[in-house]
Amino acid sequence: NAGVTQTPKFQVLKTGQSMTLQCAQDMNHEYMSWYRQDPGMGLRLIHYSVGAGITDQGEVPNGYNVSRSTTEDFPLRLLSAAPSQTSVYFCASSYVRGWYEQYFGPGTRLTVT
Amino acid sequence: AQTVTQSQPEMSVQEAETVTLSCTYDTSENNYYLFWYKQPPSRQMILVIRQEAYKQQNATENRFSVNFQKAAKSFSLKISDSQLGDTAMYFCAFRPPDGAGSYQLTFGKGTKLSVIP
Repeated sequence: NAGVTQTPKFQVLKTGQSMTLQCAQDMNHEYMSWYRQDPGMGLRLIHYSVGAGITDQGEVPNGYNVSRSTTEDFPLRLLSAAPSQTSVYFCASSYVRGWYEQYFGPGTRLTVT
Repeated sequence: AQTVTQSQPEMSVQEAETVTLSCTYDTSENNYYLFWYKQPPSRQMILVIRQEAYKQQNATENRFSVNFQKAAKSFSLKISDSQLGDTAMYFCAFRPPDGAGSYQLTFGKGTKLSVIP
């Protein structure tokens, strides 16, 4: 049971480049989400999904795209990277009912130059 | 929309002493869930403790306990017998009750705790 895995752990992009952050979980969780963490801002929700084929926007969705074709995977796409997207990105998953905690991946530190 | 406020950006405590981190939140819901997460320098988010709003009794997990004041919308974390490994960022989080769109966690901005030897 690997929990929530994210790849890569670190990434440097040039402005305008695109890339996909990968997230996978093996706990059969319905809910998956992406957060970004910036100094002094806590964690802010980018996009989330409550099941395969269902996604929705969070607090800061602009510049990001997601899809959920399987229960296990929830990739985050940066369409045209900007310096403002320099951040640490976390993927998390949980069951959708009850007081179940959200399990977090180890994070991806992204720098856009 | 719910908001979560952590009013102490940084705190320090002597090893073996007790420290309390504060958290307040704003919601119109009656039933909800509250969490404290710890983020050590390794960056991994770790659940410390959780509380269901309908439970009167305060949650405890070993050296960690909460003071949940529902009417005041306050959810503070007490760490007893502080250890060097408690040095971390601590985030308070709110989750609405079960229902459509209710799975999202709203986080506070965090409190950086340093345990001093």
